[in-house]
Amino acid sequence: KAGVTQTPRYLIKTRGQQVTLSCSPISGHRSVSWYQQTPGQGLQFLFEYFSETQRNKGNFPGRFSGRQFSNSRSEMNVSTLELGDSALYLCASSPGVGWGTLYEQYFGPGTRLTVT
Amino acid sequence: GENVEQHPSTLSVQEGDSAVIKCTYSDSASNYFPWYKQELGKRPQLIIDIRSNVGEKKDQRIAVTLNKTAKHFSLHITETQPEDSAVYFCAVYSGGYQKVTFGTGTKLQVIP
Repeated sequence: KAGVTQTPRYLIKTRGQQVTLSCSPISGHRSVSWYQQTPGQGLQFLFEYFSETQRNKGNFPGRFSGRQFSNSRSEMNVSTLELGDSALYLCASSPGVGWGTLYEQYFGPGTRLTVT
Repeated sequence: GENVEQHPSTLSVQEGDSAVIKCTYSDSASNYFPWYKQELGKRPQLIIDIRSNVGEKKDQRIAVTLNKTAKHFSLHITETQPEDSAVYFCAVYSGGYQKVTFGTGTKLQVIP
């Protein structure tokens, strides 16, 4: 099976702009989670989508939003970018159901976002 | 919310020695505890996990132990090799589904 893919891999934006990142999960996986990784804060959970519905949400402002399509592909949007949004954004896919596989996550390579 | 502490933040060991990394958590309802390895410039990869109904799990040179009473779990790597050098993150799932808190990471350096 193909792994999790994310596009674009690198992005440079200016403060105040908005950005959309894309994640394609492993075939058959219905859950997609998004994470922000920074040297200072480490890995932080943004939100999780399952079957086109946001199932869980972390503690991030409303400028961070996402959605999931019927094919399980997910997009994350950040509006009104701030310098502090510079980070590696990782998505992870999971079967999303089943005691044995509910939490198994496979990460994508990430999108490196730089805000200037 | 969940509070996860990971120690040490850096760890240097000689090749062949063992390495132990510990995470403590606060939510007694937490039920899934994975460990991820992230090599420089690469994505995190799940290396081992344990569920709340199990006390220990082993996979070749790596093992994880869970003490639910004390609310801590540890990653054990035996016979370390240079390719074990990476940042290791613990994670704690609580409240169902994908509600997760990560540890701050441990940079492991295995010296040949």
